[in-house]
Amino acid sequence: SAVISQKPSRDICQRGTSLTIQCQVDSQVTMMFWYRQQPGQSLTLIATANQGSEATYESGFVIDKFPISRPNLTFSTLTVSNMSPEDSSIYLCSVSLAGGYDEQYFGPGTRLTVT
Amino acid sequence: DAKTTQPTSMDCAEGRAANLPCNHSTISGNEYVYWYRQIHSQGPQYIIHGLKNNETNEMASLIITEDRKSSTLILPHATLRDTAVYYCIVSGGSARQLTFGSGTQLTVLP
Repeated sequence: SAVISQKPSRDICQRGTSLTIQCQVDSQVTMMFWYRQQPGQSLTLIATANQGSEATYESGFVIDKFPISRPNLTFSTLTVSNMSPEDSSIYLCSVSLAGGYDEQYFGPGTRLTVT
Repeated sequence: DAKTTQPTSMDCAEGRAANLPCNHSTISGNEYVYWYRQIHSQGPQYIIHGLKNNETNEMASLIITEDRKSSTLILPHATLRDTAVYYCIVSGGSARQLTFGSGTQLTVLP
């Protein structure tokens, strides 16, 4: 397994501002993922972030709104830009140790509230 | 990805086995069955996965029917800490991602 930490654990932000969420892993991993979990809902994949390449975004998510960095094999950031109340969600990062998409280990999440 | 169908909620008495069913009738030959759970206010936790054989680890057992159209996750001795939403996910082959459905809310009762 892997130990994954996220910062911040929660934040309250004003409409129109941006927040950068950090994800740190205790081992080198090739594939990292960012998910969103809206209140009372299941998880939705935002993007896949591989080190050394551009992130791959899922339908409905765009780089201008959710820019992602992946500077090395243990770290990634997700920025939520120009926030609106609809962005209020839990944002989670996960990693795959096996190099595939399937067996993933998740961080504790960042609870974002936009006012 | 093949879709899955799970009951919305289930209760289980503490110390008893919890059997969580999942239907995945459109699963293809190279897709795996994965189980995750999400305890309140935490990130999802990987539990177990299998292709066609039954699997067991320190957390649970996974029973997959011979036609692979359904499976059951078994927690042999449920505790209060097993109260969570359990997700059955079919993935693999050409799939690019884990697709989380609504899951089953398991409540373990004292």
